[in-house]
Amino acid sequence: GAGVSQSPSNKVTEKGKDVELRCDPISGHTALYWYRQSLGQGLEFLIYFQGNSAPDKSGLPSDRFSAERTGGSVSTLTIQRTQQEDSAVYLCASSLTVDNEQFFGPGTRLTVL
Amino acid sequence: AQSVTQLGSHVSVSEGALVLLRCNYSSSVPPYLFWYVQYPNQGLQLLLKYTTGATLVKGINGFEAEFKKSETSFHLTKPSAHMSDAAEYFCAVTSSGAGSYQLTFGKGTKLSVIP
Repeated sequence: GAGVSQSPSNKVTEKGKDVELRCDPISGHTALYWYRQSLGQGLEFLIYFQGNSAPDKSGLPSDRFSAERTGGSVSTLTIQRTQQEDSAVYLCASSLTVDNEQFFGPGTRLTVL
Repeated sequence: AQSVTQLGSHVSVSEGALVLLRCNYSSSVPPYLFWYVQYPNQGLQLLLKYTTGATLVKGINGFEAEFKKSETSFHLTKPSAHMSDAAEYFCAVTSSGAGSYQLTFGKGTKLSVIP
């Protein structure tokens, strides 16, 4: 595709449920990043992938958060046992390599009731 | 460690007036600096970036920013505001190698343009 795509665009879930957020990076981009945008915290880095490996998971807020990337392409961010404080917009970005400009997707708006 | 401070969460200007959005950074190593714009319900779009070389950088839509090391600043300007400039603007920094890995963002400044 022409840009980074994310699905779903909106997700409403109940507290305690698990959710999966998907990111399709720009074809050929080896680096992929997840950020979270919330009213209280602004834009926060969560995790990045170089290929299928995640050298830096330092931004994941708790062990309820995990991410994987397969085939050097699609990535899934999973949040287990969601809490209300997980409500935010989750943004994905990709870049040709880690030394290049990051291109952002439109985000997934997660609401935990 | 690195951080970004954007002065003013909300700035209003009249159409045709100067736009000035302030950004100060903290970084223990030479920084790479970025300005992104976010329109409602959209992702972030890169406006401009400073890596090395000329300290005055020009970006898209008539925006420019000047890196001032002595002031640890990277303020964004545009000589004449247009209605289409109304959006939220984020300043970001990274100090990792030559590129844009693990961006640290400011809290953002929402720009309103008054007709």
